Amino acid sequence: EIVLTQSPATLSLSPGERATLSCRASQSVSSYLAWYQQKPGQAPRLLIYDASNRATGIPARFSGSGSGTDFTLTISSLEPEDFAVYYCQQRSNWPLATFGGGTKVEIK
Amino acid sequence: EVQLVESGGGLVKPGGSLRLSCAASGFTFSSYSMNWVRQAPGKGLEWVSSISSSSSYIYYADSVKGRFTISRDNAKNSLYLQMNSLRAEDTAVYYCASSHIAAEYFDYWGQGTLVTVSS
Repeated sequence: EIVLTQSPATLSLSPGERATLSCRASQSVSSYLAWYQQKPGQAPRLLIYDASNRATGIPARFSGSGSGTDFTLTISSLEPEDFAVYYCQQRSNWPLATFGGGTKVEIK
Repeated sequence: EVQLVESGGGLVKPGGSLRLSCAASGFTFSSYSMNWVRQAPGKGLEWVSSISSSSSYIYYADSVKGRFTISRDNAKNSLYLQMNSLRAEDTAVYYCASSHIAAEYFDYWGQGTLVTVSS
């Protein structure tokens, strides 16, 4: 099983600041990595797939990068609606899809 | 607009059974793989099961293999999850999710249905 480790667990930032979230895989997943956003009481929403491709309707302030074992989700300038929990997910060894433990982006 | 609406959750005793349903609309249901993903209270996401568009390929997480059965009815635009031999650790919100970009990503999600396994 491929384990995804996200860091930090919590990120405290102010609106307008830049957020950098990390996801590290226990073995290479090539570029087969996605990022999801989940707000309290809501279902997750797909943001990024294949490491760097934005999903339909996702604002340009969200960007993804990385390959192999190290990946980054960057939010260039935090909007109030961006404070949420973010999960990474790999599809490299499908059908055993796995998610990371999540990073909570909270208002400082 | 893609819509996925789950139903069938509730309180069940350990060892009991429950059948979840997911009604899909706004897209050609028969063309896409479908999935169940769950989230225990206050915890992260866990992939549970997937089924290909024509039901030719079916996959389960080890944690539910032999106890859960995924199925779909393309004529009714519906996805199902039959859950047997339920355990306390199966307590979670169960989400139905569709895969449009690739079979292994979860593009659209329902609002979820809560399953509580407790005596």
